[in-house]
Amino acid sequence: AQSVTQLGSHVSVSEGALVLLRCNYSSSVPPYLFWYVQYPNQGLQLLLKYTTGATLVKGINGFEAEFKKSETSFHLTKPSAHMSDAAEYFCATDSGNSTLTFGKGTMLLVSP
Amino acid sequence: DGGITQSPKYLFRKEGQNVTLSCEQNLNHDAMYWYRQDPGQGLRLIYYSQIVNDFQKGDIAEGYSVSREKKESFPLTVTSAQKNPTAFYLCASSARGSSGDYGYTFGSGTRLTVV
Repeated sequence: AQSVTQLGSHVSVSEGALVLLRCNYSSSVPPYLFWYVQYPNQGLQLLLKYTTGATLVKGINGFEAEFKKSETSFHLTKPSAHMSDAAEYFCATDSGNSTLTFGKGTMLLVSP
Repeated sequence: DGGITQSPKYLFRKEGQNVTLSCEQNLNHDAMYWYRQDPGQGLRLIYYSQIVNDFQKGDIAEGYSVSREKKESFPLTVTSAQKNPTAFYLCASSARGSSGDYGYTFGSGTRLTVV
C-alpha cells in the first residue's frame, strides 16, 4: 500500500528564511502526490499536486515541490517565509483505490 | 459558490449517545469521504463512498456508520461503540475516480467533544 512519511512534526523558521518541509513516499508505481495546508480549526486547502510530466511543481502562495523518483521524495519549499505561512502542512498520496493517504503533518512555525 | 458544508462546527456529546455529523456538497462530485484528525496522527480514513447507495469502510470504521442516499449528502454517525470519539472530523469530496488527478475538496470540519 502506498504511504507517505513527513520528517519533522515541527519546523521553525524566521520570517524571510527558506522553508523546507520533507516528504518521502512509498509506492510500487508512479504515485500521485499532493501537499495540503491547514490553518487552525479549518479544513485542508490544496497547495499543489504532482500527477505526471514536469517534476517541479508550482503551487499557490509561492510554494513549490520537486518530485524525485530516485529519492522517493516530494519536498515542499518556499524561498522566503512569511508570517502568514504558519500552519500545518500535509503530504498525501493516492492509495490506488481513489482515496488519499496522508502523512502525519508538519507544523510550520514562523518567527519575526 | 460551490463547496462543502459541514455542520455543526462544534459538537458536544455525552458518553453513550449517538451523534450525527452533517456533510453536504454542491460540487456535483460523485465521491465523498470522512476522515478523522487527531493531533500528531494526521488524517485517517473512516468511510468513503464513490456513488450513491454504496460506501466502503476505511482504516478506522469501527464505531462509525454512514449513509449515502443522495449525491449531495454523506452524514456520519458516531455511535456509542466508538470508544474515543473526541476528535476533529473532516469531510471531503472529489469527482469520481479522479482523486488521484485532482485531489479532494475539504469542508471546514466538525470538532466533536465527549463530555
